[in-house]
Amino acid sequence: NAGVTQTPKFRILKIGQSMTLQCTQDMNHNYMYWYRQDPGMGLKLIYYSVGAGITDKGEVPNGYNVSRSTTEDFPLRLELAAPSQTSVYFCASSTAGGGNQPQHFGDGTRLSIL
Amino acid sequence: AQSVTQLDSHVSVSEGTPVLLRCNYSSSYSPSLFWYVQHPNKGLQLLLKYTSAATLVKGINGFEAEFKKSETSFHLTKPSAHMSDAAEYFCVVSPFTGGGNKLTFGTGTQLKVEL
Repeated sequence: NAGVTQTPKFRILKIGQSMTLQCTQDMNHNYMYWYRQDPGMGLKLIYYSVGAGITDKGEVPNGYNVSRSTTEDFPLRLELAAPSQTSVYFCASSTAGGGNQPQHFGDGTRLSIL
Repeated sequence: AQSVTQLDSHVSVSEGTPVLLRCNYSSSYSPSLFWYVQHPNKGLQLLLKYTSAATLVKGINGFEAEFKKSETSFHLTKPSAHMSDAAEYFCVVSPFTGGGNKLTFGTGTQLKVEL
């Protein structure tokens, strides 16, 4: 019962460095999402994907990139890390679209940029 | 457009007393509504969902919520709080139609349960 798995759990980056946050799900869900969670702000959608090879921007996409080559994996790339990207990042997945489908979340990646 | 407002950022109750976490929503469509719970250093876990069927929705761990269209509210309740209920709770709205299943999150309510 792995569900949605995110790696790493914690990471400290220096300004200007790059990294990839990994996300994989074993539920054969078509839809996958990346969110960031800042204190007192709820979750904001960064990017989402409705299937392999298809991605689209969410509410706060600047500074990030994604790819979806398989159904299972949806990595998030930070090319030039900035202090404003210090946050907790959550990956989620759901079955086909339609607002009545709940999303399943990973445990998050806590990222600090110094 | 859709939005959700959680009326209390912090709620404190004594163990064994009722819990009420308040949520108001706004949506241009017939919405789906969810409550999620987040324990420290964990991801979000679904508590319950409303999807235009019964207006009183029962979830896990004894929680329930009532959809009131006239008041645009979806408040979360539990008759008797337990120490393990201490967590952050998010009210979430989604358009019932497709479009990538984009969720709009409230800013969260931190529930503290005291002995």
